[in-house]
Amino acid sequence: AQSVAQPEDQVNVAEGNPLTVKCTYSVSGNPYLFWYVQYPNRGLQFLLKYITGDNLVKGSYGFEAEFNKSQTSFHLKKPSALVSDSALYFCAVRVYNQGGKLIFGQGTELSVKP
Amino acid sequence: KAGVTQTPRYLIKTRGQQVTLSCSPISGHRSVSWYQQTPGQGLQFLFEYFSETQRNKGNFPGRFSGRQFSNSRSEMNVSTLELGDSALYLCASSEGDGTNEQFFGPGTRLTVL
Repeated sequence: AQSVAQPEDQVNVAEGNPLTVKCTYSVSGNPYLFWYVQYPNRGLQFLLKYITGDNLVKGSYGFEAEFNKSQTSFHLKKPSALVSDSALYFCAVRVYNQGGKLIFGQGTELSVKP
Repeated sequence: KAGVTQTPRYLIKTRGQQVTLSCSPISGHRSVSWYQQTPGQGLQFLFEYFSETQRNKGNFPGRFSGRQFSNSRSEMNVSTLELGDSALYLCASSEGDGTNEQFFGPGTRLTVL
Protein backbone atom coordinates (compact mmCIF):
# COMPACT_ATOMS: atom_id res chain seq x y z
CA ALA A 1 0.00 0.00 0.00
CA GLN A 2 1.10 3.52 -0.73
CA SER A 3 1.66 5.73 2.28
CA VAL A 4 3.37 8.85 3.54
CA ALA A 5 4.57 9.53 7.06
CA GLN A 6 5.53 12.79 8.68
CA PRO A 7 7.00 11.72 12.01
CA GLU A 8 6.83 15.11 13.69
CA ASP A 9 3.53 16.79 14.49
CA GLN A 10 5.34 20.02 15.27
CA VAL A 11 8.72 21.55 14.55
CA ASN A 12 9.96 24.63 16.39
CA VAL A 13 12.76 26.73 14.95
CA ALA A 14 14.28 30.10 15.75
CA GLU A 15 14.21 32.70 13.00
CA GLY A 16 17.41 32.60 10.96
CA ASN A 17 18.15 28.98 11.79
CA PRO A 18 17.90 26.17 9.24
CA LEU A 19 14.74 24.10 9.26
CA THR A 20 13.93 20.53 8.28
CA VAL A 21 10.51 18.94 8.02
CA LYS A 22 10.71 15.19 7.63
CA CYS A 23 8.81 12.91 5.27
CA THR A 24 9.11 9.22 4.47
CA TYR A 25 7.11 7.33 1.89
CA SER A 26 6.15 3.89 0.69
CA VAL A 27 5.08 3.46 -2.92
CA SER A 28 4.89 0.95 -5.70
CA GLY A 29 7.03 1.95 -8.62
CA ASN A 30 8.77 5.27 -9.05
CA PRO A 31 7.63 7.87 -6.53
CA TYR A 32 6.23 11.22 -7.51
CA LEU A 33 6.59 13.36 -4.39
CA PHE A 34 5.20 16.76 -3.49
CA TRP A 35 5.34 19.31 -0.68
CA TYR A 36 2.48 21.68 0.05
CA VAL A 37 2.00 24.42 2.65
CA GLN A 38 -1.25 25.51 4.22
CA TYR A 39 -1.80 28.82 5.99
CA PRO A 40 -4.77 29.24 8.37
CA ASN A 41 -8.13 29.21 6.62
CA ARG A 42 -6.49 28.76 3.24
CA GLY A 43 -6.13 26.00 0.70
CA LEU A 44 -2.86 24.23 0.02
CA GLN A 45 -0.07 25.95 -1.87
CA PHE A 46 2.39 23.96 -3.95
CA LEU A 47 6.04 24.27 -2.87
CA LEU A 48 7.99 21.74 -4.92
CA LYS A 49 7.96 18.28 -6.46
CA TYR A 50 10.26 15.41 -7.30
CA ILE A 51 9.52 13.45 -10.41
CA THR A 52 12.93 12.37 -11.65
CA GLY A 53 16.45 13.72 -12.03
CA ASP A 54 18.49 15.56 -9.40
CA ASN A 55 17.88 14.43 -5.87
CA LEU A 56 17.93 18.02 -4.60
CA VAL A 57 14.84 19.87 -5.70
CA LYS A 58 14.45 23.62 -5.34
CA GLY A 59 11.06 25.20 -4.90
CA SER A 60 9.18 28.32 -3.92
CA TYR A 61 10.08 30.75 -1.11
CA GLY A 62 13.62 29.38 -0.73
CA PHE A 63 12.53 25.85 0.15
CA GLU A 64 14.27 22.77 -1.15
CA ALA A 65 13.87 19.05 -0.62
CA GLU A 66 16.21 16.12 -0.84
CA PHE A 67 15.05 12.85 -2.34
CA ASN A 68 16.75 9.82 -0.86
CA LYS A 69 15.73 6.58 -2.52
CA SER A 70 17.58 4.24 -0.17
CA GLN A 71 16.00 5.82 2.89
CA THR A 72 12.66 6.44 1.12
CA SER A 73 12.69 9.99 2.40
CA PHE A 74 11.87 13.39 1.00
CA HIS A 75 12.73 15.93 3.68
CA LEU A 76 11.88 19.60 3.24
CA LYS A 77 14.60 22.10 4.09
CA LYS A 78 15.31 25.80 4.22
CA PRO A 79 18.68 27.32 5.12
CA SER A 80 17.29 30.27 7.08
CA ALA A 81 13.78 30.23 8.53
CA LEU A 82 11.45 33.23 8.58
CA VAL A 83 8.61 33.91 11.00
CA SER A 84 6.34 34.02 7.96
CA ASP A 85 7.22 30.36 7.23
CA SER A 86 5.07 29.35 10.20
CA ALA A 87 2.34 27.16 8.74
CA LEU A 88 1.17 23.58 8.26
CA TYR A 89 3.29 21.54 5.84
CA PHE A 90 2.14 18.44 3.98
CA CYS A 91 4.15 15.85 2.12
CA ALA A 92 2.26 13.90 -0.56
CA VAL A 93 2.89 11.03 -2.95
CA ARG A 94 1.17 10.36 -6.20
CA VAL A 95 -0.40 6.95 -6.31
CA TYR A 96 1.10 4.80 -9.03
CA ASN A 97 -1.19 4.20 -11.97
CA GLN A 98 -4.06 6.11 -10.40
CA GLY A 99 -4.02 9.38 -12.27
CA GLY A 100 -3.71 12.40 -10.07
CA LYS A 101 -4.65 10.82 -6.76
CA LEU A 102 -2.43 12.08 -3.95
CA ILE A 103 -1.90 10.50 -0.57
CA PHE A 104 -0.94 13.02 2.08
CA GLY A 105 1.01 12.76 5.28
CA GLN A 106 -0.71 13.95 8.43
CA GLY A 107 1.01 17.32 8.32
CA THR A 108 3.70 19.05 10.37
CA GLU A 109 3.05 22.33 12.12
CA LEU A 110 6.09 24.56 11.70
CA SER A 111 6.53 27.36 14.23
CA VAL A 112 9.28 29.92 13.68
CA LYS A 113 9.92 32.23 16.61
CA PRO A 114 11.68 35.60 16.36
CA LYS B 1 -4.51 32.98 -14.88
CA ALA B 2 -7.18 32.97 -12.24
CA GLY B 3 -6.78 30.35 -9.55
CA VAL B 4 -9.11 27.58 -8.49
CA THR B 5 -12.34 28.94 -7.10
CA GLN B 6 -14.78 27.18 -4.82
CA THR B 7 -18.28 28.16 -3.85
CA PRO B 8 -19.67 28.61 -1.36
CA ARG B 9 -16.87 29.26 1.10
CA TYR B 10 -18.97 28.39 4.13
CA LEU B 11 -22.04 26.23 4.60
CA ILE B 12 -24.12 25.24 7.59
CA LYS B 13 -26.50 22.33 7.19
CA THR B 14 -28.42 19.99 9.45
CA ARG B 15 -28.26 16.23 9.59
CA GLY B 16 -30.15 14.50 6.83
CA GLN B 17 -29.93 17.38 4.38
CA GLN B 18 -27.91 17.28 1.19
CA VAL B 19 -25.35 19.73 -0.11
CA THR B 20 -23.70 20.60 -3.41
CA LEU B 21 -20.27 22.19 -3.60
CA SER B 22 -18.83 23.76 -6.72
CA CYS B 23 -15.32 24.05 -8.08
CA SER B 24 -14.01 26.00 -11.06
CA PRO B 25 -10.51 24.85 -12.10
CA ILE B 26 -7.73 26.86 -13.61
CA SER B 27 -8.37 27.52 -17.28
CA GLY B 28 -7.01 24.67 -19.39
CA HIS B 29 -6.87 22.16 -16.56
CA ARG B 30 -8.82 19.00 -17.28
CA SER B 31 -8.36 17.18 -13.99
CA VAL B 32 -10.27 18.08 -10.86
CA SER B 33 -9.77 16.25 -7.57
CA TRP B 34 -11.66 16.59 -4.32
CA TYR B 35 -10.28 16.09 -0.82
CA GLN B 36 -11.79 16.14 2.63
CA GLN B 37 -9.76 17.68 5.43
CA THR B 38 -10.58 17.05 9.08
CA PRO B 39 -8.47 17.38 12.24
CA GLY B 40 -8.75 13.68 12.98
CA GLN B 41 -8.31 12.10 9.56
CA GLY B 42 -6.22 14.74 7.85
CA LEU B 43 -6.43 15.08 4.07
CA GLN B 44 -8.31 12.27 2.38
CA PHE B 45 -8.90 11.78 -1.32
CA LEU B 46 -12.54 11.70 -2.38
CA PHE B 47 -12.45 11.40 -6.17
CA GLU B 48 -10.88 12.70 -9.35
CA TYR B 49 -12.52 13.68 -12.60
CA PHE B 50 -10.75 13.97 -15.92
CA SER B 51 -12.51 15.04 -19.09
CA GLU B 52 -15.94 14.50 -17.51
CA THR B 53 -15.13 10.96 -16.37
CA GLN B 54 -14.44 9.78 -12.86
CA ARG B 55 -10.89 8.49 -13.00
CA ASN B 56 -10.37 7.57 -9.36
CA LYS B 57 -12.45 7.20 -6.22
CA GLY B 58 -11.45 7.15 -2.58
CA ASN B 59 -12.90 5.12 0.26
CA PHE B 60 -15.99 7.16 0.99
CA PRO B 61 -19.59 5.97 1.13
CA GLY B 62 -21.91 6.33 -1.82
CA ARG B 63 -23.47 9.41 -0.22
CA PHE B 64 -20.50 11.28 -1.67
CA SER B 65 -20.73 11.80 -5.39
CA GLY B 66 -19.45 14.16 -8.00
CA ARG B 67 -19.49 15.13 -11.60
CA GLN B 68 -17.58 17.20 -14.07
CA PHE B 69 -18.96 19.33 -16.86
CA SER B 70 -17.65 19.90 -20.36
CA ASN B 71 -15.99 23.16 -19.25
CA SER B 72 -14.12 21.18 -16.55
CA ARG B 73 -16.08 22.73 -13.71
CA SER B 74 -16.91 20.16 -11.09
CA GLU B 75 -19.49 19.65 -8.39
CA MET B 76 -19.59 17.31 -5.47
CA ASN B 77 -22.72 16.29 -3.67
CA VAL B 78 -23.18 14.84 -0.23
CA SER B 79 -26.58 13.38 0.56
CA THR B 80 -28.08 12.52 3.93
CA LEU B 81 -25.52 14.57 5.81
CA GLU B 82 -24.04 13.24 9.04
CA LEU B 83 -22.28 15.13 11.81
CA GLY B 84 -19.02 13.51 10.77
CA ASP B 85 -19.22 15.12 7.35
CA SER B 86 -18.25 18.44 8.91
CA ALA B 87 -14.95 19.28 7.25
CA LEU B 88 -13.05 21.52 4.89
CA TYR B 89 -13.61 20.28 1.34
CA LEU B 90 -10.79 21.13 -1.00
CA CYS B 91 -10.83 21.06 -4.74
CA ALA B 92 -7.64 20.85 -6.78
CA SER B 93 -7.02 21.12 -10.49
CA SER B 94 -4.16 20.04 -12.69
CA GLU B 95 -3.35 19.50 -16.33
CA GLY B 96 -4.10 15.83 -15.83
CA ASP B 97 -0.72 14.17 -16.06
CA GLY B 98 0.09 12.68 -12.66
CA THR B 99 3.47 14.38 -12.71
CA ASN B 100 1.88 17.83 -12.67
CA GLU B 101 1.31 19.58 -9.40
CA GLN B 102 -2.24 20.17 -8.28
CA PHE B 103 -3.45 23.67 -7.54
CA PHE B 104 -5.86 23.94 -4.65
CA GLY B 105 -8.79 26.21 -4.08
CA PRO B 106 -9.49 27.90 -0.74
CA GLY B 107 -11.98 25.22 0.25
CA THR B 108 -15.56 25.06 1.41
CA ARG B 109 -16.04 24.80 5.15
CA LEU B 110 -19.08 22.58 5.77
CA THR B 111 -20.59 22.43 9.23
CA VAL B 112 -23.31 19.85 9.91
CA LEU B 113 -25.46 20.49 12.97
